[in-house]
Amino acid sequence: SAVISQKPSRDICQRGTSLTIQCQVDSQVTMMFWYRQQPGQSLTLIATANQGSEATYESGFVIDKFPISRPNLTFSTLTVSNMSPEDSSIYLCSVIGTVNTGELFFGEGSRLTVL
Amino acid sequence: GQQVMQIPQYQHVQEGEDFTTYCNSSTTLSNIQWYKQRPGGHPVFLIQLVKSGEVKKQKRLTFQFGEAKKNSSLHITATQTTDVGTYFCAGTSGTYKYIFGTGTRLKVLA
Repeated sequence: SAVISQKPSRDICQRGTSLTIQCQVDSQVTMMFWYRQQPGQSLTLIATANQGSEATYESGFVIDKFPISRPNLTFSTLTVSNMSPEDSSIYLCSVIGTVNTGELFFGEGSRLTVL
Repeated sequence: GQQVMQIPQYQHVQEGEDFTTYCNSSTTLSNIQWYKQRPGGHPVFLIQLVKSGEVKKQKRLTFQFGEAKKNSSLHITATQTTDVGTYFCAGTSGTYKYIFGTGTRLKVLA
């Protein structure tokens, strides 16, 4: 299993500002992902965080809006830039626990409210 | 792009009744996973299905993967209040990128 810590757990932000979310895993993992979950909705994959190289973004998500860093195999950050109320969501860090099962472990999430 | 739909969107059942949620993918999947998300919590892995027609059981939960590997179902027998939450299927077409279904929110009335 993998234990994932995310910070902050929640925040209230002003329109136009940026916020960085941190994700710390208790073990080295190859695959790390960032998901967004809008209120009452499903999870949408934002990007795959690649260690030592640029993240791989899904359709509809761009690096300028959601820059991601992954300096090592246990840590990643997601920045939500130039926020608007539409960015109010829960942002979840996720890792694959073992390659065999492909089981995704999630952090507790970071609930952002943009005013 | 790939889409994964679930029905129903919501289900309210009396405690003790059965519950089923269905998951349908627009593309053939290599495997499918199921997750449960309690209110205010994060998704927690339940199971993974890989083989066509596969059926797996976990106590009161029965999971099935369709023959064409484009659909799946989760059936809960004799629901309990602890079953409350949203159930998501998540499929992949061969990579580690999982596309989550739209989810079914289950409410169990005592």
